[in-house]
Amino acid sequence: EVQLVESGGGLVQPGGSLRLSCTASTFILSDFWMHWVRQTPGKGLVWVAHVNPDETTRRYADSVKGRFTISRDTAKNTVYLQMSSLRGDDTAVYYCTRDPGGYGQHGMDVWGQGTTVSVSS
Amino acid sequence: DIQMTQSPSSLSASVGDRITITCRASQRIYNYLNWYQQKPEKAPKLLIYSASTLQSGVPSRFSGSGSGTDYTLTISSLQPEDFATYYCQQSYLTPLTFGGGTKVDSK
Repeated sequence: EVQLVESGGGLVQPGGSLRLSCTASTFILSDFWMHWVRQTPGKGLVWVAHVNPDETTRRYADSVKGRFTISRDTAKNTVYLQMSSLRGDDTAVYYCTRDPGGYGQHGMDVWGQGTTVSVSS
Repeated sequence: DIQMTQSPSSLSASVGDRITITCRASQRIYNYLNWYQQKPEKAPKLLIYSASTLQSGVPSRFSGSGSGTDYTLTISSLQPEDFATYYCQQSYLTPLTFGGGTKVDSK
């Protein structure tokens, strides 16, 4: 079964940091564009960041630019989202997604189960 | 940023009904429009990409159409497993943006 598995979520204080991981066991992540998307009850689905296969293209939502970094570890078949200077409005379920076409143009065809990030004192 | 507006935000329907959900972009997106289905406590699932291409494994009762700024998702005969929330998403420009969702529940 094609699947993604996220980990690394949890409770963190405002201003703190967290690193989310996304792994795949049945396909090679570095063959695909990868995205992070987050979801809150109040704001629905929000795209956070993406990275292309060779990491030459990384883009971020304005709300996380300068605070979040998307990266890959090809040897570990893993994509990361390093989050720093966390704020309350970063509280969400974070999904890792696969993009077969690049820039999301053919949609995000595989989603992880989500990992919850809660930012609170 | 491109704003995506879905309507209605919710609708009640019965099994067997034909339903249509509309998504309007704030500018032309040249068919770079994707549709997702999400059930409670589950991740979204890709249904349609490029406005009208059915994702592999998705039942043929789902269809998408549209052009320019206006797009629709149609379910030709609603099945019990189709009660869910549906989202559109544009992939013409970064940042990728989603519509606010349409919740389909049982009448």
